[in-house]
Amino acid sequence: GAGVSQSPRYKVAKRGQDVALRCDPISGHVSLFWYQQALGQGPEFLTYFQNEAQLDKSGLPSDRFFAERPEGSVSTLKIQRTQQEDSAVYLCASSTDNEQFFGPGTRLTVL
Amino acid sequence: DAKTTQPPSMDCAEGRAANLPCNHSTISGNEYVYWYRQIHSQGPQYIIHGLKNNETNEMASLIITEDRKSSTLILPHATLRDTAVYYCIVRVLRGAQKLVFGQGTRLTINP
Repeated sequence: GAGVSQSPRYKVAKRGQDVALRCDPISGHVSLFWYQQALGQGPEFLTYFQNEAQLDKSGLPSDRFFAERPEGSVSTLKIQRTQQEDSAVYLCASSTDNEQFFGPGTRLTVL
Repeated sequence: DAKTTQPPSMDCAEGRAANLPCNHSTISGNEYVYWYRQIHSQGPQYIIHGLKNNETNEMASLIITEDRKSSTLILPHATLRDTAVYYCIVRVLRGAQKLVFGQGTRLTINP
């Protein structure tokens, strides 16, 4: 069956531009997570949705980061006025209680 | 979540068993030990998890010490495709929860 998909796979943005990253979770998965992975580091939690409700956004690094999941399936992570320190791989995962299934990530490079 | 400690890197010859250690000395009684791995340019992939008994599946075996302060992930016959970063994570099994990744162990399988 289809796994978690993310688009685009690669994104290059100029500093100050807004970007939107999309995640298509596994069908029927209630829980959805976003993580940020800097080069050479492990993934770090950004935010968590249960259906359309954003239950935890404690990991979002600034108010330039915004995530939504309006219909409880597809999710979008938006970064406004991108900065160079936002360059990272952004991973999405959908979840059963025991296991998280990760997408391939979107590699964002801010020039 | 309790923190884990892993060696930053390990090497193993193809066809041999790869034994990856993890220390989790502050693990709580209701926390499970999870292992994920991340192959280059992919999202993390679930491998195995356990509470206190040894576990085995088609990918690996997990050996947890009696005091639960450490564990070892065993890949019985490593192949080149097992080259990846391996993450040991402890978490409670209480619904969907964010994963707290450390630095992981970069395992290189050599031909």
